[in-house]
Amino acid sequence: EAGVAQSPRYKIIEKRQSVAFWCNPISGHATLYWYQQILGQGPKLLIQFQNNGVVDDSQLPKDRFSAERLKGVDSTLKIQPAKLEDSAVYLCASSQMGPPASGYTFGSGTRLTVV
Amino acid sequence: GESVGLHLPTLSVQEGDNSIINCAYSNSASDYFIWYKQESGKGPQFIIDIRSNMDKRQGQRVTVLLNKTVKHLSLQIAATQPGDSAVYFCAENMSGSYIPTFGRGTSLIVHP
Repeated sequence: EAGVAQSPRYKIIEKRQSVAFWCNPISGHATLYWYQQILGQGPKLLIQFQNNGVVDDSQLPKDRFSAERLKGVDSTLKIQPAKLEDSAVYLCASSQMGPPASGYTFGSGTRLTVV
Repeated sequence: GESVGLHLPTLSVQEGDNSIINCAYSNSASDYFIWYKQESGKGPQFIIDIRSNMDKRQGQRVTVLLNKTVKHLSLQIAATQPGDSAVYFCAENMSGSYIPTFGRGTSLIVHP
């Protein structure tokens, strides 16, 4: 079974620039999550999709972050404009509907550095 | 021994020793707990889970202990191997939620 695919692996941008991350979940997984992991901390949920609908985006800084999952499969997360404090690893995870944690699979993430 | 590093608490052990990683969780309403392993450059990987109606669960070389009285969780790794070197996170789920809330993490370093 292929895992959760993310790209790019690394990105360096200047503050106030824009950036987008892409995620392809495991085939058949209805639920997709974006997490932000700042160095030295655990991942923090940004947004959860169920198919192509948003379930929870309460932790997403909506003034600069946006995410979409138009066809219920791939998803993109965008930051515009980026700030220095956005430097982090952005992780995508997917799961089947209502799984235990053992069915929750993370991608390897995109490491963003804002300079 | 165990120490607090610049970013993460760190546990250093010798290969073959048993490791114990501790975690204090925050929410008394949490009823499901998970341990994840995160290797450098990778996402967190599920290790073992435990529900709040249990106080111990064993897997292959790993055991999770839950003490709800003091809101404490531990992960025991038997016969630790260099491949166990990683950051370990505990996570908690509130009742009815499938979304884990992650704790801070502990870096485990295994010396050959």
